[in-house]
Amino acid sequence: DAGVTQSPTHLIKTRGQQVTLRCSPKSGHDTVSWYQQALGQGPQFIFQYYEEEERQRGNFPDRFSGHQFPNYSSELNVNALLLGDSALYLCASSPTSGVAETQYFGPGTRLLVL
Amino acid sequence: LAKTTQPVSMDSYEGQEVNITCSHNNIATNDYITWYQQFPSQGPRFIIQGYKTKVTNEVASLFIPADRKSSTLSLPRVSLSDTAVYYCLVGDMWSDYKLSFGAGTTVTVRA
Repeated sequence: DAGVTQSPTHLIKTRGQQVTLRCSPKSGHDTVSWYQQALGQGPQFIFQYYEEEERQRGNFPDRFSGHQFPNYSSELNVNALLLGDSALYLCASSPTSGVAETQYFGPGTRLLVL
Repeated sequence: LAKTTQPVSMDSYEGQEVNITCSHNNIATNDYITWYQQFPSQGPRFIIQGYKTKVTNEVASLFIPADRKSSTLSLPRVSLSDTAVYYCLVGDMWSDYKLSFGAGTTVTVRA
């Protein structure tokens, strides 16, 4: 049973460019959340998708957008990249639409913005 | 205002018990307490979750006093592979879909 998978594992972009990160949830999970983790800090919640809609959003600008597909996989898009967007981007999935649930994290995509 | 406060780092030796205390003085009635573990270059991994008293699983124990203003994660007989960052999270069990991570506690286990 595959866990949460993310692609690519590493990515290098330059300021002003756009990037798309991908996530496939654990089998049987229908909810996907995205987190940004800067070096030396804890993950920060970006947003969560359920039933192909954004359900909750953290304190991130509109440059960060996402999408969930009918097969529950998800994409995170970041436009107009800034140096400060360099971080580990984590995807997490959970089994139902409920709260207080265990979220299962993928290995992350490390993004470097030059 | 941070919801949780935990030590920045802790050192231990193989075979010892490690106890990490997290303060959450403003915990609300609907809040639950969850601990995650994270190894370098990996995503966090769920360890244990509780609301009150004591919870135990195959990995750890979680002790929550009656006032719920703090909680203690206990890792029995640690090994080198338990070296990681441990996060204490407090979240509303009725409305909060997101996980709110602080800076965590870096636990280093030495031989």
